[in-house]
Amino acid sequence: SQQGEEDPQALSIQEGENATMNCSYKTSINNLQWYRQNSGRGLVHLILIRSNEREKHSGRLRVTLDTSKKSSSLLITASRAADTASYFCATDVQGTYKYIFGTGTRLKVLA
Amino acid sequence: DVKVTQSSRYLVKRTGEKVFLECVQDMDHENMFWYRQDPGLGLRLIYFSYDVKMKEKGDIPEGYSVSREKKERFSLILESASTNQTSMYLCASSFWGRGARNTGELFFGEGSRLTVL
Repeated sequence: SQQGEEDPQALSIQEGENATMNCSYKTSINNLQWYRQNSGRGLVHLILIRSNEREKHSGRLRVTLDTSKKSSSLLITASRAADTASYFCATDVQGTYKYIFGTGTRLKVLA
Repeated sequence: DVKVTQSSRYLVKRTGEKVFLECVQDMDHENMFWYRQDPGLGLRLIYFSYDVKMKEKGDIPEGYSVSREKKERFSLILESASTNQTSMYLCASSFWGRGARNTGELFFGEGSRLTVL
């Protein structure tokens, strides 16, 4: 399997703190995406970073990509209780229409 | 807004039953996907389709089949449900082509939680 892995598996922080999640993958990619999933719901797209980009921002989200290490990180700044969710990275499989998802990081933000 | 609609949020079926999970998207997307999600295993791709009547196996196709007779609809079929198919099933769609619409983003439905007794 080419499945990615997120680290840590679970993270618990206080409201206002920053949350950092990491993702590693195994093969060459065109892009890497981060998704959020509230409990029992579908996934919602957060941000996409292309293989020729090193960093991208969207609101309180900051994503970095290191293709030499085959890794990415998602930083959520000034976290809120509403950020409590699972976060997944997804990588495309070059030459196909497929996307491979990691196992996710469960984030809990305590009010 | 893009909408991906899965026909049932919760289903309970018995072992051996035939199960249909339906998914409809309203954005004229070429690509559609079926994933299953299990604790500790993340999302695993069952099948995907890049055009009407076209399908390709994902990582775990055994025990499943799919149908795409119309562009907006992608069905997942369990010919004979088994208890190890108890899971959350997620449908997704995406655009494929040139131009600004090709963001690579997947749009997900709310999921169908299937329990096989």
